[in-house]
Amino acid sequence: KQEVTQIPAALSVPEGENLVLNCSFTDSAIYNLQWFRQDPGKGLTSLLLIQSSQREQTSGRLNASLDKSSGRSTLYIAASQPGDSATYLCGGGNKLTFGTGTQLKVEL
Amino acid sequence: GAGVSQSPRYKVAKRGQDVALRCDPISGHVSLFWYQQALGQGPEFLTYFQNEAQLDKSGLPSDRFFAERPEGSVSTLKIQRTQQEDSAVYLCASSFGRSSGNTIYFGEGSWLTVV
Repeated sequence: KQEVTQIPAALSVPEGENLVLNCSFTDSAIYNLQWFRQDPGKGLTSLLLIQSSQREQTSGRLNASLDKSSGRSTLYIAASQPGDSATYLCGGGNKLTFGTGTQLKVEL
Repeated sequence: GAGVSQSPRYKVAKRGQDVALRCDPISGHVSLFWYQQALGQGPEFLTYFQNEAQLDKSGLPSDRFFAERPEGSVSTLKIQRTQQEDSAVYLCASSFGRSSGNTIYFGEGSWLTVV
């Protein structure tokens, strides 16, 4: 059974810092991977989708990469802002198997 | 509406009661997913539809859970004889394409509490 680990589980940083969130899959045969953010009491919002033919995607201050040989993905957030505070989840595979997320808090 | 719509947003059910949760996907989206999310956990896959066909129901935790999408648009997740461990947020998601290689859009969820 596919399992997903996200590290760190929680992170608190001052505004302006660059940060890295990690995601790894026990079965490295991940062909599609998405990063989502979830605000309290809300659904998930897709941030970036890495399709089978891609290795990374960028949107604004966000960059996500996927190493298919190891089944590891990284989400890089540049110049973090208080509005980035949320839980970040990675999901991969046909059924979108999720990790438990990284709770991010960006402080003023 | 522009997004995935779920109703009810909040439901309190007495143990043993049947509940039905509705999902209105984005118009034209072929794929529809249901997930269960416990507090502090990531969403767990329940079932997947491609149009009206239920292609994968391997995540449904028991035969008390049933999902349908009879006309390939609106979907209903039904839970019979609810139990306390069914308390969770039930998330619906849809995507345009036929695989997970497309951006997936989530609704805000139906919060179920079984008392």
